[in-house]
This record gives sequence, structure tokens and C-alpha cells, in this order.
Amino acid sequence: KAGVTQTPRYLIKTRGQQVTLSCSPISGHRSVSWYQQTPGQGLQFLFEYFSETQRNKGNFPGRFSGRQFSNSRSEMNVSTLELGDSALYLCASSLGGRGPNATNEKLFFGSGTQLSVL
Amino acid sequence: AQSVTQLDSHVSVSEGTPVLLRCNYSSSYSPSLFWYVQHPNKGLQLLLKYTSAATLVKGINGFEAEFKKSETSFHLTKPSAHMSDAAEYFCVVSGAGGYQKVTFGTGTKLQVIP
Repeated sequence: KAGVTQTPRYLIKTRGQQVTLSCSPISGHRSVSWYQQTPGQGLQFLFEYFSETQRNKGNFPGRFSGRQFSNSRSEMNVSTLELGDSALYLCASSLGGRGPNATNEKLFFGSGTQLSVL
Repeated sequence: AQSVTQLDSHVSVSEGTPVLLRCNYSSSYSPSLFWYVQHPNKGLQLLLKYTSAATLVKGINGFEAEFKKSETSFHLTKPSAHMSDAAEYFCVVSGAGGYQKVTFGTGTKLQVIP
């Protein structure tokens, strides 16, 4: 079974631009969650999608958005980039079938997209 | 509110000696607890998880962790370190209420000295 695939692997943008990151989950997984990892803040939850609907959302500004397609692939978009958005963005997939509050499922992580904002 | 504290940001051990990575948590609910490992330039991989079935949890690659409710701890151990164990380890706690209740520790970098 193929793992979680994130593209692109590296991205360099300038302040004010927008960016779209992609995540293809493991086949059969319907939940995709996104995380931001920085040296200062560690790993922080962004949002989670299940069956094309956002089920959970972290404490990030509205510049961070996402969506999920019918094949469970997910995209994350960041608009009006700021220097502080430089980070490793990880997505994870899981079966997700136990409901939005079932957070004891095993998460399968992709290798991440390293975003640098100049 | 819930939180997780990894007591050491860096741990250094010699190859073949025991590994102990410490994690303390607080949670208003009966939490689920996880340990994940992240190798350089890689995503996170689940080592093990605790979900109240047994207090001693065995994971992959010889790692295990013991849930101690009285001490609110979930320390990760391995009897004998291998060079391939060098990585960053994250303790994670999750409670009821959805993914926003998934809290990651700040990570412990494990160095294995040959």
C-alpha cells in the first residue's frame, strides 16, 4: 500500500503570495488532518477533513484554509503569506470512521512540505 | 484543558545502553497517549499507543511505554539503543472533543553514540 504523499516537497515563496499544498492519503483512508511544525511552536493542529467536510479546526487565522475532494485527497491553502508561516507542513491520514471525536486512531504521516517564506 | 510535557529536549545514550524518554501529561478526561518518532526529513511514525487496555504498551522496534495514572506519566523505554534509533520523539495526548484536542509534546532528540 502506498503511503501518504505530500507535494511539493519544498517550496519557496515571498511575503504576500499564496500557496497550495497537496496531500494524497492512504487508499481507503477518509480522514486527512494537517499540522504545522516549527522549531519555536512545535507541532500544531490546523484542521481535519472527513468525506469532503471540515470536522475539526485548530487555532489558526482564516488565511489558512483547506478542502478535501471526493477521492479523499486534500489541499491546504495559505493566502497572504507572512514570514512566520515558514514551517514544515505535515498531513496525516486515518480511517476516520469512528467520528470526529475519535482521536485515538493511528495517524499515518506524510514526509511534509517544507515552506520557506522570504 | 490538557497538556503534555516532555521533560528532556535532548537525550544522549551509548549504543547498546537503555533508553528512557520522559513524558508527563495532564488531561481532564481519560486520555489516549501516543509516542511518535520523526527521522530527519521524514514524517512522523507511530511507535505505540495507549488506550486503556493495558498499562504496559509494546510498540515497534523494541520500544515500550508504561502508563502510570498516579504519576500522570507515559515514559518511553528501550532496553538497548541502536544507531538507527537516533531521531526525534514526540509524546502526544488526545482527549475527547475532536482533533483540536490532540496535543503534541515539544519533542526529545535522541542521540546514540557509537
